[in-house]
Amino acid sequence: GESVGLHLPTLSVQEGDNSIINCAYSNSASDYFIWYKQESGKGPQFIIDIRSNMDKRQGQRVTVLLNKTVKHLSLQIAATQPGDSAVYFCAERVQGAQNLVFGQGTRLTINP
Amino acid sequence: DAGITQSPRHKVTETGTPVTLRCHQTENHRYMYWYRQDPGHGLRLIHYSYGVKDTDKGEVSDGYSVSRSKTEDFLLTLESATSSQTSVYFCAISGTGTLEAFFGQGTRLTVV
Repeated sequence: GESVGLHLPTLSVQEGDNSIINCAYSNSASDYFIWYKQESGKGPQFIIDIRSNMDKRQGQRVTVLLNKTVKHLSLQIAATQPGDSAVYFCAERVQGAQNLVFGQGTRLTINP
Repeated sequence: DAGITQSPRHKVTETGTPVTLRCHQTENHRYMYWYRQDPGHGLRLIHYSYGVKDTDKGEVSDGYSVSRSKTEDFLLTLESATSSQTSVYFCAISGTGTLEAFFGQGTRLTVV
C-alpha cells in the first residue's frame, strides 16, 4: 500500500492506555479544525472536528481540545486498541477558505 | 470511502510523458480536491474545484492542470511528468455547508 511517511513524529503507548496526540497550528485566522486517521494503504479518514468557538468536543473514545491562545490542538484517544495504530493528521481551515491545510502527522503505535 | 473512486490506483510512467489521474464521486458533492502526499510534507493541496468548470490553484499547482466537466469527475493532468512528481495522490470531496473532506484511496504514481 501507499507509504505515509518515513520521518514522522512517533508515539508508542500500551494497549488500554490513553494517548494524546498534539498539533500546533499556524494561522490565528483558522476557524475550523479536524483530525484524520490514516491507516497503511488507505486514504485519511475523518475522526472528529471542532470549530474555533469551542474548546472541547467529545466523540466515541476520542476528545479534541483546542487552545486558541497558544494555537494548539490535541487529540485524546481513550483505552487504545490495536486498531488505533495509524498516522494521525490535524488540519485547519482558514476563515473564508474552502480547503484544509494539513500538518505533517504523528504515527501512533499501540503495543500489546 | 464516501463514494469516491480514484483510477488508476498505481501507475509507473516515464519522465516527459503526460499522465491523467481520475477521481469519480457518487455523492453529488460540490467541492473536489487533489492533494499529494510526500514524506516530510504531509498532504498538500494541488488544485480544487468548487463546481463544474470552476477550479482554483492550491499550494503546489506548478506542473499540474485540472478539469471538471461533470459534477462527478475531477481530472488531474501532469502535462510532462517529472521525477519530483513521484508521489501518492489523493482526491477528496466535501459538500456545501460542511467542512470535513472525505478522501479516496489514493493513487501511487512513480515517474522514472
